Amino acid sequence: EVQLLESGGGWVQPGGSLRLSCAASGFTFNSHAMAWVRQAPGKGLEWISIISGSGSSTSYADAVKGRFTISRDKSKNTMFLDMNSLRAGDTAVYYCAKDRGPLTVVRGLIIPVFESWGQGTLVTVSS
Amino acid sequence: QAALTQPASVSGSPGQSITISCAGLSSDVETYKVVSWYQQHAGKAPKLIIYEVTKRPSGVSDRFSGSKSGNTASLTISGLQAEDEADYYCYSYAGGSAWFGGGTKVTVL
Repeated sequence: EVQLLESGGGWVQPGGSLRLSCAASGFTFNSHAMAWVRQAPGKGLEWISIISGSGSSTSYADAVKGRFTISRDKSKNTMFLDMNSLRAGDTAVYYCAKDRGPLTVVRGLIIPVFESWGQGTLVTVSS
Repeated sequence: QAALTQPASVSGSPGQSITISCAGLSSDVETYKVVSWYQQHAGKAPKLIIYEVTKRPSGVSDRFSGSKSGNTASLTISGLQAEDEADYYCYSYAGGSAWFGGGTKVTVL
């Protein structure tokens, strides 16, 4: 059974940093792209970043480009999201998600099918 | 600011069929079939219900079906049930990036 467990959320002041983790189990981690999707309170879903199975390819939504960095550690079956220069608008539940595969790339952008989701971790950016 | 447009809400009575639209798809979707749909119950994580425009994952009810016409994808729920009351999101490629639609709240009357 696929399991995705996010951690690392919490409260941070504007301008601060936070690292989210997503521990994965139940599938061959290196064979699947992984992504982060967030949801602000009372709002819709927003895709923010994706990383290929090998880790060699990454993409970011414009809203976080230059501030967030996605990575993965195959030895730990874990994906990370390093978030810097956080703003109030980054307040959201952050979900990690596993791509169904095989990889689909449209004009250089990985377009995943979010087959499995974690339960999310809440990030609150406030002074 | 979603590039994909969904109706904010759709409602129906038990047993009826409803359709949720997702407008603004890229013409590349015709080639790559990159349309998926997600169901999210209140306070829960989203769940994949349709991928590659028309395919259903194992375990998803056949009351859910997907289609596409031109630059608009659609999700149809047949034989509406109380448990279908949830938010629904499309996801696809448009305007050079990937987007979720704004979401549609389905209410079972």
